[in-house]
Amino acid sequence: QKEVEQNSGPLSVPEGAIASLNCTYSDRVSQSFFWYRQYSGKSPELIMSIYSNGDKEDGRFTAQLNKASQYVSLLIRDSQPSDSATYLCAVNERQNFVFGPGTRLSVLP
Amino acid sequence: DTEVTQTPKHLVMGMTNKKSLKCEQHMGHRAMYWYKQKAKKPPELMFVYSYEKLSINESVPSRFSPECPNSSLLNLHLHALQPEDSALYLCASSSQWGQMTSSNQPQHFGDGTRLSIL
Repeated sequence: QKEVEQNSGPLSVPEGAIASLNCTYSDRVSQSFFWYRQYSGKSPELIMSIYSNGDKEDGRFTAQLNKASQYVSLLIRDSQPSDSATYLCAVNERQNFVFGPGTRLSVLP
Repeated sequence: DTEVTQTPKHLVMGMTNKKSLKCEQHMGHRAMYWYKQKAKKPPELMFVYSYEKLSINESVPSRFSPECPNSSLLNLHLHALQPEDSALYLCASSSQWGQMTSSNQPQHFGDGTRLSIL
């Protein structure tokens, strides 16, 4: 059983739309959740951290956490072609980072 | 630009060569990590150093040998690698590891070294 799951995609959205990326995790004691963006051939770049249930907004990005459902999501508003990348969900499980497989997002002009 | 610096950016080596990958951070972080990433896959943890001591070795073959000379530097020594070891090698750091207070600390990645084994 995978510990952190994401839809691999590709997820295609038109420019200006909202992109919704989802992640589920299996370890109920996990406390910290992170979203990384990775462009092809580049390293992961931290874009959001979330630790409490609810929503956290940063510019066009909103992270949502529901610990009861073991679910974390990332919304990207007003998607731009430059948002096209792979988005990795990372969960800090018992002090070890566990990455999901990543969702490939394609924003179509 | 990232605050974690990795050199070289690209490395091509033969299976009999010995080379080293280097990583440096000046954020005062006390935990450093090596990851291996194959195309279209997430990063896989190889080693964790906490306060300059090896804390995790994820059953990595001995042809990979990590070294942490001080709190800012992390090396990965390579010897007798196989073609399947070709990958992007990522270094990361975080403020702490292995303590409850470290659970909220994100990891910051360097740009990586793209390694090709001939």
